[in-house]
Amino acid sequence: RKEVEQDPGPFNVPEGATVAFNCTYSNSASQSFFWYRQDCRKEPKLLMSVYSSGNEDGRFTAQLNRASQYISLLIRDSKLSDSATYLCVVNGRTARQLTFGSGTQLTVLP
Amino acid sequence: DAGVTQSPTHLIKTRGQQVTLRCSPKSGHDTVSWYQQALGQGPQFIFQYYEEEERQRGNFPDRFSGHQFPNYSSELNVNALLLGDSALYLCASSLWGLDTEAFFGQGTRLTVV
Repeated sequence: RKEVEQDPGPFNVPEGATVAFNCTYSNSASQSFFWYRQDCRKEPKLLMSVYSSGNEDGRFTAQLNRASQYISLLIRDSKLSDSATYLCVVNGRTARQLTFGSGTQLTVLP
Repeated sequence: DAGVTQSPTHLIKTRGQQVTLRCSPKSGHDTVSWYQQALGQGPQFIFQYYEEEERQRGNFPDRFSGHQFPNYSSELNVNALLLGDSALYLCASSLWGLDTEAFFGQGTRLTVV
């Protein structure tokens, strides 16, 4: 079983749609959680951290359920520029390495 | 303020050869981590350097080795290249001991033929 598992995708949605990505992680000792965005043939960039209470950044909302070891990302009012691969990322309690999911590809269609 | 820089951007090597990739961390950062990203996969952790020592290592063979210099820059060396080593190699810099954002370089795309 992979340490971080994501929806395989791809997701193709029209502009203005709401889309949700899900992710589960296996290491219950994990302490930090993130969503990264990676554009085609570019490096990953931090989209947002994920907190236990849930957090929002504009059109993006992230949720964490520690009991279920489940992370989600909701994108509202999708824009063409949101087209990218979204990577679910977990950092362990003592390990400072980032563990990435395989990513979910999103294409927003005009 | 320069971000994380990696060189070269692209590289083609033959099976069995050795390769060295280079990374300069973001100004003010002291920790460098290396990741391998195969096509269609997320990045996988190779190892991490702080104070010129390897601090953590992922599930990669000894063919993968590294070094960190006093100026915090780092090298990744891969010996006896295999076709399966073809990937995007990413360097990430951060501050040791703080749960701060890791910044990635643009990566080196290695192709082994």
